[in-house]
Amino acid sequence: GQNIDQPTEMTATEGAIVQINCTYQTSGFNGLFWYQQHAGEAPTFLSYNVLDGLEEKGRFSSFLSRSKGYSYLLLKELQMKDSASYLCAVSDSNYQLIWGAGTKLIIKP
Amino acid sequence: IAGITQAPTSQILAAGRRMTLRCTQDMRHNAMYWYRQDLGLGLRLIHYSNTAGTTGKGEVPDGYSVSRANTDDFPLTLASAVPSQTSVYFCASSESQGSPDTQYFGPGTRLTVL
Repeated sequence: GQNIDQPTEMTATEGAIVQINCTYQTSGFNGLFWYQQHAGEAPTFLSYNVLDGLEEKGRFSSFLSRSKGYSYLLLKELQMKDSASYLCAVSDSNYQLIWGAGTKLIIKP
Repeated sequence: IAGITQAPTSQILAAGRRMTLRCTQDMRHNAMYWYRQDLGLGLRLIHYSNTAGTTGKGEVPDGYSVSRANTDDFPLTLASAVPSQTSVYFCASSESQGSPDTQYFGPGTRLTVL
């Protein structure tokens, strides 16, 4: 079966760094997406990885290891507005997105 | 530019009633999707459309139907609503379905079936 695993909830302090992990087992792989979803709102695109390595975009970075079926999202210089759920999704062999349940990130002052 | 709009924002519906959730995009995207999001579960694909005139079944299609008469609109119909269809429904679109394009989401419809 297809499976995406990520922690249910994480807590971090304003100004700190947090790493949100995602492991996957899917039928085929055409890239991995990270989305941010604030409570009561729609998911919005953060990053896309298809090759191994680190993609940096401002305070956010995303890493992929295809051989390990593993990705992480790194958030630096945390701000209160980063409190949200972070969704990991894999594009499978049919280009359908398989979604993890999301990681709720709580930022404390 | 509105992107993707959905209507209604929320709805309370009696079991057994018919309901259509509306979705319209103005980005001229070929592919459109309907997902449901339930607490503790990831987004689950209900139906999708690769281009106007074609539709396909996703992971959880039972009890739902869709149509794609034109590029912009992709309504989702619940023929006879049941309480297990209580959920938040998101419509999304992407430039195409045959490649890992970024999906853009509408604001969602919160549906409660009593």
